[in-house]
Amino acid sequence: KAGVTQTPRYLIKTRGQQVTLSCSPISGHRSVSWYQQTPGQGLQFLFEYFSETQRNKGNFPGRFSGRQFSNSRSEMNVSTLELGDSALYLCASSLEGLHEQYFGPGTRLTVT
Amino acid sequence: AQSVTQLDSQVPVFEEAPVELRCNYSSSVSVYLFWYVQYPNQGLQLLLKYLSGSTLVKGINGFEAEFNKSQTSFHLRKPSVHISDTAEYFCAVSASSSNTGKLIFGQGTTLQVKP
Repeated sequence: KAGVTQTPRYLIKTRGQQVTLSCSPISGHRSVSWYQQTPGQGLQFLFEYFSETQRNKGNFPGRFSGRQFSNSRSEMNVSTLELGDSALYLCASSLEGLHEQYFGPGTRLTVT
Repeated sequence: AQSVTQLDSQVPVFEEAPVELRCNYSSSVSVYLFWYVQYPNQGLQLLLKYLSGSTLVKGINGFEAEFNKSQTSFHLRKPSVHISDTAEYFCAVSASSSNTGKLIFGQGTTLQVKP
């Protein structure tokens, strides 16, 4: 089975712009979670989607949003980018009812 | 709420020596526990998991971990490390009663294997 894929792998944006990141889960996985990884804050949970519904949300401002499509693919959007949004954004998928998550390679976002 | 503390930010060790990476957690409810590994410029790879049953769990690449409920610990061990084990290792927990995909991670431990 193919693993979790994320596009793009690298992205450079300017402060104030918005960005959309994409995640395709492992086939059959219906839960998709997003995490932000920075040197200072480590790995932090952003949100989780299941069956096109946000099921849980971390402590991030409303500039961070996401959605999930009927094929379980997910996107996350960050509006009005700030320098502090520079991070590795990781997507993970899991089977319903199982807590183990499988991660993609991440999208490295740099905000200048 | 849950929290995870990885007691060492860096662990240097010589090749073929044993290693232990320490992880303590805090939770008011039952938890599932995981160890992930991250190689440079890559995502996280699941090493092993504790869901229930035997407290000694074996994972990939020769790693194992022991769940100790009384000490709220889940330390990762390998009897003989290789250069290729150099990476960052993350301990994570999730509430077993939760039906949402939310993992709480420790700050990570960098394992540096020296020749």
